[in-house]
Order: sequence, then structure tokens, then C-alpha cells
Amino acid sequence: EADIYQTPRYLVIGTGKKITLECSQTMGHDKMYWYQQDPGMELHLIHYSYGVNSTEKGDLSSESTVSRIRTEHFPLTLESARPSHTSQYLCASFGQGPFANYGYTFGSGTRLTVV
Amino acid sequence: RKEVEQDPGPFNVPEGATVAFNCTYSNSASQSFFWYRQDCRKEPKLLMSVYSSGNEDGRFTAQLNRASQYISLLIRDSKLSDSATYLCVSRPLYGGSQGNLIFGKGTKLSVKP
Repeated sequence: EADIYQTPRYLVIGTGKKITLECSQTMGHDKMYWYQQDPGMELHLIHYSYGVNSTEKGDLSSESTVSRIRTEHFPLTLESARPSHTSQYLCASFGQGPFANYGYTFGSGTRLTVV
Repeated sequence: RKEVEQDPGPFNVPEGATVAFNCTYSNSASQSFFWYRQDCRKEPKLLMSVYSSGNEDGRFTAQLNRASQYISLLIRDSKLSDSATYLCVSRPLYGGSQGNLIFGKGTKLSVKP
């Protein structure tokens, strides 16, 4: 039973289109993250948020943008998709206090293909 | 130098073998440690947290050595279903991205019949 949801699971879209990848969590976590991962490769942090109206860029430069208007919702937007954006995008959230020992909870990911 | 370093493998072992993965971390202020498992084309899932005293969960044993700054994962009696990539993870207490988990690149395990 997933507590963090990503939609869509798969997306094939043409170059130049604007897309928004959705991520929602029902755990009340303040911290949320977006990772980009190519097949067989390592996770790269592209954005994170420590709470409402807080967004930061991650270690890997990305042309995407994020927003955090509500605690439970952390969407990622690409204004103009390009083939180089083809990848898997994983959303995660993190609880504090006693739940800190449980690490991140990841969504199932969105596999994006830009043609 | 990467903050968390792992041998990328792949480790190819027969069923029933015991396999050990090691991982080193560079931030001595790291507070928490984890092992995650990631199956092909799936999201990472928490396998176990790692405690200073060491901890065991069935066939899996995790150890932490703070003096040497390394973490290990031991898998006994390996099964075909253990085939996956194992990610070593630390959580620094201090630093620019305080509290964010730092993921290693992962070690790929392939268990053969």
C-alpha cells in the first residue's frame, strides 16, 4: 500500500511539450525530493523541499522546476521537453522524529520518454 | 571523492552462497545509515537501517564501524530473489544539505542457480 504516489507511471511525449510530473504523499512529511535515474545508473538529486514554499536545487543541474504549495504535493515541471530529458523520475519523502530511522519512502517513479 | 563509496560489482554468486558488501563514507558527522534494495526499473526500497551495535534481519546482517567509517551488509544463503542493486546510504548531521540522505552508486548482485 503506497503512501506516496506518482503519476503518470509512463509518459511518451513530443519534443517541445510542457509536462508536469505529479507527486503526492499522505504521510504529512515535510521533506520531499525529486531524483533522476537512467537505467542501470545512480540516483541523482535534482530538487528538494523542506516544507511549504521551500524549494532547493539538488546536486545535478536540471532544466525542470518544482513547487511546494501544499505539504502533500510536490510537482515537477518541464517547460519544453527534449530527448535529453528521457529518464526515470523518482519522488521521495522523509519523516522526522522517530521515523527518521526509516529513511526515505519512494514513489514508483515516472518513466519519461521524449521523442 | 564521493561521500559514499561502494564497489559497483557485479557480484555473481551461486544460490546458497554468502556474500558481503562494504561501503565507506567520508562525513564523520553522519548520523544514520541504511541499506536500500533496488530491483531493475523499480524504486529503491528500504532493506534495513544500520545501528552501531549491528543488526540482523533473517539472512541479512548489517554492521557499522564508526572508527573506520564503513558499513557492511552480509547476505547468507543467498536466493535467486536477492538479485538486485544494493544501495548504501548515509545521513549527515551537518552540511549544506543537512538531513538529506546520501546514496552510494549501488552494488549489483546477481544470484545464479
